[in-house]
Amino acid sequence: GNSVTQMEGPVTLSEEAFLTINCTYTATGYPSLFWYVQYPGEGLQLLLKATKADDKGSNKGFEATYRKETTSFHLEKGSVQVSDSAVYFCALRRSNYQLIWGAGTKLIIKP
Amino acid sequence: EAGVTQFPSHSVIEKGQTVTLRCDPISGHDNLYWYRRVMGKEIKFLLHFVKESKQDESGMPNNRFLAERTGGTYSTLKVQPAELEDSGVYFCASSLPTREETQYFGPGTRLLVL
Repeated sequence: GNSVTQMEGPVTLSEEAFLTINCTYTATGYPSLFWYVQYPGEGLQLLLKATKADDKGSNKGFEATYRKETTSFHLEKGSVQVSDSAVYFCALRRSNYQLIWGAGTKLIIKP
Repeated sequence: EAGVTQFPSHSVIEKGQTVTLRCDPISGHDNLYWYRRVMGKEIKFLLHFVKESKQDESGMPNNRFLAERTGGTYSTLKVQPAELEDSGVYFCASSLPTREETQYFGPGTRLLVL
């Protein structure tokens, strides 16, 4: 079946550190892949997406590349800020519209 | 443009009571979805409306949950009677009619059943 696995958190980094949050998936066919973010007290926001192999999604300094050969969609940012503290969710979309979610990774950035 | 809105933001009820959650999608979004995240677990799909029709309700946990979308605008999700394991955050999302469109989420309703 379809599933998404994310690295467990919380991940704690200092400001300006390099960030990687790992995400791997299992799926039939060629799903679209997403990163959503939930800031404290807010709803889920789309951070970035990729719809086919080798696509790179990017937004707000975050990037993720759709790697079919390793079934991965790792989230990266070169220099994190305190304002990036949030919960990050990796998800895939099945052909029937459903989003299948990872467990979420809480990111804590210390000044 | 207004985003997806949900009401209430929080609800605390006793086991056995009824609760109704409401979702107002973005105007023009025919697709409406309900998801929930129970404590410590992944977000799970509940169901999908296209306009007023239930396209997929494979994620609805049992018959205590009833979702409606009369007129194809806002949607309600009723839990009757509520059980302890229903506690969690209920998210609503909407998207434009085409398959590849992004789902936009509301802030969620945090439900606590005591």
